[in-house]
Amino acid sequence: AQKVTQAQTEISVVEKEDVTLDCVYETRDTTYYLFWYKQPPSGELVFLIRRNSFDEQNEISGRYSWNFQKSTSSFNFTITASQVVDSAVYFCALSGNSGGGADGLTFGKGTHLIIQP
Amino acid sequence: AAGVIQSPRHLIKEKRETATLKCYPIPRHDTVYWYQQGPGQDPQFLISFYEKMQSDKGSIPDRFSAQQFSDYHSELNMSSLELGDSALYFCASSLETETEAFFGQGTRLTVV
Repeated sequence: AQKVTQAQTEISVVEKEDVTLDCVYETRDTTYYLFWYKQPPSGELVFLIRRNSFDEQNEISGRYSWNFQKSTSSFNFTITASQVVDSAVYFCALSGNSGGGADGLTFGKGTHLIIQP
Repeated sequence: AAGVIQSPRHLIKEKRETATLKCYPIPRHDTVYWYQQGPGQDPQFLISFYEKMQSDKGSIPDRFSAQQFSDYHSELNMSSLELGDSALYFCASSLETETEAFFGQGTRLTVV
């Protein structure tokens, strides 16, 4: 069975601070995919990143960066110089590879990020 | 760019009624997923389709059924609605089964 743990239920920081959202996963699949999604107050789920299990390179996209460490089964997400518009619930998710099927995502419980002006 | 279209956006039904949610994937996407997100909860995977065939099944109740049509749109049929079915229902689509899935804006179902 797959599992995603986001231990931080809620984080509150002041604007311009850096913040890291933690994600730890469990899977028996040798090939799998990790995702981060953002869910702002309006409710939609916005895709941020997908990483496959064979690519451990860290990635940076503007103020966002991701640290994938297979050895600790973690896929952490850092926002640098946070802004009020970053306030949202952030979900980490995992998808296995059952041999070509359209596997559904297993989501963590989400981290509610509050950026205070 | 075209996104995933879900209709209706909001739906109010009474207990024991039926509901049908529709999903129109991004053009050329051949894979559709359905998720249910209760208030304050994470999205739960219900079911997926690839090339009009059911591909993976999650925690979809027996009262629910879904299918993908020849034009790749999908419908989620929900019968004998219960108060606990009140949730945000997301559809997502992807091109083939191993690329990122993009979500629609969701259908908010309220059962009264």
